[in-house]
Amino acid sequence: AQSVTQLGSHVSVSEGALVLLRCNYSSSVPPYLFWYVQYPNQGLQLLLKYTSAATLVKGINGFEAEFKKSETSFHLTKPSAHMSDAAEYFCAVSLPNQAGTALIFGKGTTLSVSS
Amino acid sequence: GAVVSQHPSRVICKSGTSVKIECRSLDFQATTMFWYRQFPKQSLMLMATSNEGSKATYEQGVEKDKFLINHASLTLSTLTVTSAHPEDSSFYICSARDLGARANYGYTFGSGTRLTVV
Repeated sequence: AQSVTQLGSHVSVSEGALVLLRCNYSSSVPPYLFWYVQYPNQGLQLLLKYTSAATLVKGINGFEAEFKKSETSFHLTKPSAHMSDAAEYFCAVSLPNQAGTALIFGKGTTLSVSS
Repeated sequence: GAVVSQHPSRVICKSGTSVKIECRSLDFQATTMFWYRQFPKQSLMLMATSNEGSKATYEQGVEKDKFLINHASLTLSTLTVTSAHPEDSSFYICSARDLGARANYGYTFGSGTRLTVV
């Protein structure tokens, strides 16, 4: 079975500071990994995904994540936080190439950005 | 890109009534759709996997008779909350996976339905 663990339910940064949201995964086979962002009372927006190509994945809004198999990690980073980045972030895992496999989500990390 | 439309976005119903939520894949065929439930300030919990033309697969602890899922076509899945109670109030989100090359095996989510049972 697959699972993800997000370390830190709440992360606070200042505007312009580095954003680092941590995600570790567990999977019996090489997984696909995703980061989503959710704003209040809205659905999920895909930030980026790792699907066994390049280990460093660049996403939207300046976010990127690096797949590290040796550390079973897929941490999300952004060099400079904006106020608009304040939201809930979810890391998720799935099995590759299987349509019937759902995404399994971590518990989420709330990112707060202060001016 | 792949789009999933979910309706309604908000619904308020009385206890004891039933509510139907629709999830449509607009530009791709979805053999499988997924239904999630999200309580305030919590993560998305998978409720069931909806398979076109067959019975849904429910996660442990999810009541099949309360949450009826129908996936009658390759573009439509519905979730019906039967005999709703206040504890069923939650944010329900559907998702479908587009295996077409253009989507690079990505999942697409509906915008969610906020259900309030009074």
